[in-house]
Amino acid sequence: AQSVTQLGSHVSVSEGALVLLRCNYSSSVPPYLFWYVQYPNQGLQLLLKYTSAATLVKGINGFEAEFKKSETSFHLTKPSAHMSDAAEYFCAVSDHQAGTALIFGKGTTLSVSS
Amino acid sequence: EAGVTQFPSHSVIEKGQTVTLRCDPISGHDNLYWYRRVMGKEIKFLLHFVKESKQDESGMPNNRFLAERTGGTYSTLKVQPAELEDSGVYFCASSQGASGRVDTQYFGPGTRLTVL
Repeated sequence: AQSVTQLGSHVSVSEGALVLLRCNYSSSVPPYLFWYVQYPNQGLQLLLKYTSAATLVKGINGFEAEFKKSETSFHLTKPSAHMSDAAEYFCAVSDHQAGTALIFGKGTTLSVSS
Repeated sequence: EAGVTQFPSHSVIEKGQTVTLRCDPISGHDNLYWYRRVMGKEIKFLLHFVKESKQDESGMPNNRFLAERTGGTYSTLKVQPAELEDSGVYFCASSQGASGRVDTQYFGPGTRLTVL
């Protein structure tokens, strides 16, 4: 069975600092991996997705994630945090190309201080 | 293009009452999903429609939950009778369902259900 583990339910960084949100997955087949973000009072928005092409995936708002099969990880990074990045971030996995449920991690709340 | 919309945004009901949640997917999206997030837990899959047919309802917690998608457009999720443990945020998502590539699910803002 597939599963997703997000290490750290809450991460705090200073504005301008590196953002690193961790995600490890468990899957018996090559996975498709996603990062979603939820800003306050909004729905989940797709940040980026891994589709087995390039292992380094670039997303919106300066975020990127690297797929490391040997470590079963898909950590999300951003070189310099902005106040507007404060939100909850979700890592998710699916193992089919279309029409399959996403399995989510528990989410990581990112706080950014000035 | 309008995104996924959900109604209501909030609902507060008494235990034993009935509540119906509505989801309008992005126009032209054949796939429609319902998910739920109970406080402090992860977002969990409830069920998946392809057009008007239930493709996968393995996540539905029990027979108090009834989902429909008549005509393959909007969907409703009815909880009858509601219990305290049904409280949470119910998300709807839709996707195009194109074969041969990774299908992105687009989420609505969710309905926050509180059962007292």
